[in-house]
Amino acid sequence: QKEVEQNSGPLSVPEGAIASLNCTYSDRVSQSFFWYRQYSGKSPELIMSIYSNGDKEDGRFTAQLNKASQYVSLLIRDSQPSDSATYLCAVNIPLGGGATNKLIFGTGTLLAVQP
Amino acid sequence: KAGVTQTPRYLIKTRGQQVTLSCSPISGHRSVSWYQQTPGQGLQFLFEYFSETQRNKGNFPGRFSGRQFSNSRSEMNVSTLELGDSALYLCASSLYVVSGANVLTFGAGSRLTVL
Repeated sequence: QKEVEQNSGPLSVPEGAIASLNCTYSDRVSQSFFWYRQYSGKSPELIMSIYSNGDKEDGRFTAQLNKASQYVSLLIRDSQPSDSATYLCAVNIPLGGGATNKLIFGTGTLLAVQP
Repeated sequence: KAGVTQTPRYLIKTRGQQVTLSCSPISGHRSVSWYQQTPGQGLQFLFEYFSETQRNKGNFPGRFSGRQFSNSRSEMNVSTLELGDSALYLCASSLYVVSGANVLTFGAGSRLTVL
């Protein structure tokens, strides 16, 4: 079982719709969760971080975390063609109880917003 | 404020050669991590440095090595290049390593092609 799993997509949504991206992780000790957006040919850029169960909203983006179900999601409201990109879910897994910046990434979900 | 700078951006090598990639983190950032991104495997963690010390290493062969200098700049080296080493190598910096909640900022990457 992969440590971080995402549906590779493509996920196609019409402009203005809500895009829902999902991610599951296997290590229960994970404490920090991140969503990165990567445009084709570019490097990943942080969209959202979430550390506690529940929802976290930032503009059109909402991250949801459920540690009991080991599930993280990203909702994009009022999707725009400029949101078309690969969305990477990343999980920080402490090593030996110590802090680390090591992230385990999912393979990403390709989102296509149709005008 | 300058971002994470990686050099060179593109390079072509032949099998058996070695390569050195450089990363200058955001000013003030002391943690540098390296990731390899390929279409098949996605983003995979190589190693992490903090205050000139390697804190973590991913599951890569010993041909992959790195170091960090006193000014936080980092280099990674790949010796005896193989075709499978063709990838985008991404460097990410973070302010410090105290908790796993630190946000990583990625550079534009160095795209290595091995012929």
